[in-house]
Amino acid sequence: AQTVTQSQPEMSVQEAETVTLSCTYDTSENNYYLFWYKQPPSRQMILVIRQEAYKQQNATENRFSVNFQKAAKSFSLKISDSQLGDTAMYFCAFKNAGNMLTFGGGTRLMVKP
Amino acid sequence: EAGVAQSPRYKIIEKRQSVAFWCNPISGHATLYWYQQILGQGPKLLIQFQNNGVVDDSQLPKDRFSAERLKGVDSTLKIQPAKLEDSAVYLCASSYGQGGSYEQYFGPGTRLTVT
Repeated sequence: AQTVTQSQPEMSVQEAETVTLSCTYDTSENNYYLFWYKQPPSRQMILVIRQEAYKQQNATENRFSVNFQKAAKSFSLKISDSQLGDTAMYFCAFKNAGNMLTFGGGTRLMVKP
Repeated sequence: EAGVAQSPRYKIIEKRQSVAFWCNPISGHATLYWYQQILGQGPKLLIQFQNNGVVDDSQLPKDRFSAERLKGVDSTLKIQPAKLEDSAVYLCASSYGQGGSYEQYFGPGTRLTVT
């Protein structure tokens, strides 16, 4: 079974600065997908960024980028130029070939003005 | 494009009562998921449908939880009888198909409180 671990329950960052959220996972599979989801206080889960395990290049979406280290089974999220609207719970998630999505415990991010 | 719809948004019941949640996925999405999210934790998959067939229900407590998607479109999740530990947000999600390349879109969830 896959496990996803987010070791930072809470983090804070000043507006306009950069923050990195950590995620590690455990799997014996070679083909899989990794995701970061954002869940604002309104509760609707939104996909932030996705990484295919077979791709060596790190995914980037505007201010969001990942550092994918396959050998270390690490998948961190970097948010640049943090904005107040980035305040939310962030969940790292793993999807295997069987399509089952496994979530980490989440990191609560607070962006301070 | 309309998103995943869920109702009700909030529900408060007493233990041993029954409750049902409804989900309408994005039009054309064949795959539907129900997740349970306990406060302070990440969502946990309860059941996955492909059209009207169950793909994975290994984490569904079948002694009290049931789910159906009879016509391959909307779905209901039922708890009977409810326990205190069932208090959680129940999230519905849908995707166009199975496989890692298909993004899952989530609904707003139903917050259940069991007293």
